[in-house]
Amino acid sequence: NAGVTQTPKFRILKIGQSMTLQCAQDMNHNYMYWYRQDPGMGLKLIYYSVGAGITDKGEVPNGYNVSRSTTEDFPLRLELAAPSQTSVYFCASSYSGARGSSGNTIYFGEGSWLTVV
Amino acid sequence: AQRVTQPEKLLSVFKGAPVELKCNYSYSGSPELFWYVQYSRQRLQLLLRHISRESIKGFTADLNKGETSFHLKKPFAQEEDSAMYYCALSGRGGDDKIIFGKGTRLHILP
Repeated sequence: NAGVTQTPKFRILKIGQSMTLQCAQDMNHNYMYWYRQDPGMGLKLIYYSVGAGITDKGEVPNGYNVSRSTTEDFPLRLELAAPSQTSVYFCASSYSGARGSSGNTIYFGEGSWLTVV
Repeated sequence: AQRVTQPEKLLSVFKGAPVELKCNYSYSGSPELFWYVQYSRQRLQLLLRHISRESIKGFTADLNKGETSFHLKKPFAQEEDSAMYYCALSGRGGDDKIIFGKGTRLHILP
């Protein structure tokens, strides 16, 4: 009953370093998303994917890259980390076309707290 | 284009007073509307969906297609309602991507 799993939960990066945030879901969802949430602010969509092999830019894609080689995994890569990327990152997934009692509900991971110094 | 607008960034309400969090949307067809809630340092979770027509934790939301609104209401605010609330929209048919509003922080005053 894992749902959406993100790792790591906390990370401190130095300016210019790179890292990958991992995200996996076990619900066979076709849609996956990456959001960032700055302190006291709302969600901003970074990238999303409608299925394996397909990714699209969201609202704030600069400085990030994603890949979707499998249905389950949707890693987010930060290249050349900058202080402006200090944020909480949420991965999420949903199932397109599921109607009825669950509908098109989106499920979130617990978040990854990233600090760039 | 799909768009969800939450006009209030912060809403402060006294305990026991009514609460209304506003949400307006723009969508060319018949969307599915949701409210999500995020309590302090927790992940977002679904609060309610318009198609369920349910009341969760005393909250209700009615879809008004004429005004393209989906406002969240509760008659008597409780301190545990303090949280970040997001209105979200999902299309039907080919594009089911879910988009969120910017969120409204609800602060219940004692």
